Amino acid sequence: NAGVMQNPRHLVRRRGQEARLRCSPMKGHSHVYWYRQLPEEGLKFMVYLQKENIIDESGMPKERFSAEFPKEGPSILRIQQVVRGDSAAYFCASSPPGGRGNQPQHFGDGTRLSIL
Amino acid sequence: DQQVKQNSPSLSVQEGRISILNCDYTNSMFDYFLWYKKYPAEGPTFLISISSIKDKNEDGRFTVFLNKSAKHLSLHIVPSQPGDSAVYFCAARRIQGGSEKLVFGKGTKLTVNP
Repeated sequence: NAGVMQNPRHLVRRRGQEARLRCSPMKGHSHVYWYRQLPEEGLKFMVYLQKENIIDESGMPKERFSAEFPKEGPSILRIQQVVRGDSAAYFCASSPPGGRGNQPQHFGDGTRLSIL
Repeated sequence: DQQVKQNSPSLSVQEGRISILNCDYTNSMFDYFLWYKKYPAEGPTFLISISSIKDKNEDGRFTVFLNKSAKHLSLHIVPSQPGDSAVYFCAARRIQGGSEKLVFGKGTKLTVNP
């Protein structure tokens, strides 16, 4: 009965490197959401995906950031050429399919990204 | 432009007393409101929610009240326990054009003293 699994829990990168964050949704969930939390802030929506489709990426920076949720395997949030301002906690959430019922999003424990 | 506001960064209460956490929102398009609890180094854990068509939802020690005319909701915890000490986030759901997203407040850190 695993919940939302994110890895790695901590990731350290130097400026200019690439960061890849992974998220496996809860069993039976096909909707995945990525959020970013800066220190002393709330979570900010980045992107909403369903299997093989990006539904809404309005919260994601246009450059350097991309997300995917392939037919097989976890969802990936990819940040290219990282900069210090990318340092944050990145949380993934999932919810079940089936329309717009009152099903809450369930969150993983996040990936703490630190840029040196 | 913050659409969901939690104006109290912190709250301290005595064990056994009531904790009241407040949240204000500006967007009348939100249809569903949620409270999440978060411990350090963990992800937010869903606590309780309320639909915009209701004014109260209760689950054990937790009750959420919604005042739509004032665009205000509150979470009541009674009686408060030391294990309730955490950061509480208010979130509002927006559905638009086939998308669904949560808008979060900045959180209120609750400390329950034994």
